[in-house]
Amino acid sequence: GALVYQYPRRTICKSGTSMRMECQAVGFQATSVAWYRQSPQKTFELIALSTVNSAIKYEQNFTQEKFPISHPNLSFSSMTVLNAYLEDRGLYLCGARTGGAETLYFGSGTRLTVL
Amino acid sequence: GEQVEQRPPHLSVREGDSAVIICTYTDPNSYYFFWYKQEPGAGLQLLMKVFSSTEINEGQGFTVLLNKKDKQLSLNLTAAHPGDSAVYFCAVSGGGNYKYVFGAGTRLKVIA
Repeated sequence: GALVYQYPRRTICKSGTSMRMECQAVGFQATSVAWYRQSPQKTFELIALSTVNSAIKYEQNFTQEKFPISHPNLSFSSMTVLNAYLEDRGLYLCGARTGGAETLYFGSGTRLTVL
Repeated sequence: GEQVEQRPPHLSVREGDSAVIICTYTDPNSYYFFWYKQEPGAGLQLLMKVFSSTEINEGQGFTVLLNKKDKQLSLNLTAAHPGDSAVYFCAVSGGGNYKYVFGAGTRLKVIA
């Protein structure tokens, strides 16, 4: 079946530093990857949608300068949180889908704590 | 843009009782609907995906109803058990843009 793995599961970084998280699709081709953030006590906000061989589309309030994303092939994507601060803490999920399918399969997320 | 309201935010039921969670969306062109379950410390587990052409969808221990006229999507857990305790999220997609809009979540507690 379609599986999505995210690394690391949890991470702690100091305020002002950066951290990188990865997303691996297994069993299907991740044509598109959507990165979401769930801030404490909130729902999921879309950060950006990445499609292989296309430009990455960032949502309002999220920028490439802050959340650079790499999607080099059909099984892997990574996102970096640059200059992380308290408001960046939360659970970061990647959801991947294949071709024209509508369903996103989500990983277990990377939980970011900023000290 | 699409807005999704989910209620109730918290729900506590006894084991064996039913639990109903409702999402109301605004975009009449929404075409794909999803229910996800999030257990403590975990990501999202897909419970069911629903297409706009199907009004009644049955899963294992639950039913999902889509009322397009009222733009409502509901999750009905029948005979809830403690393992159902989790946060449930609905998500709505208009298709084409592949953007999911999530509800705020419902924290369900099933008391044994």
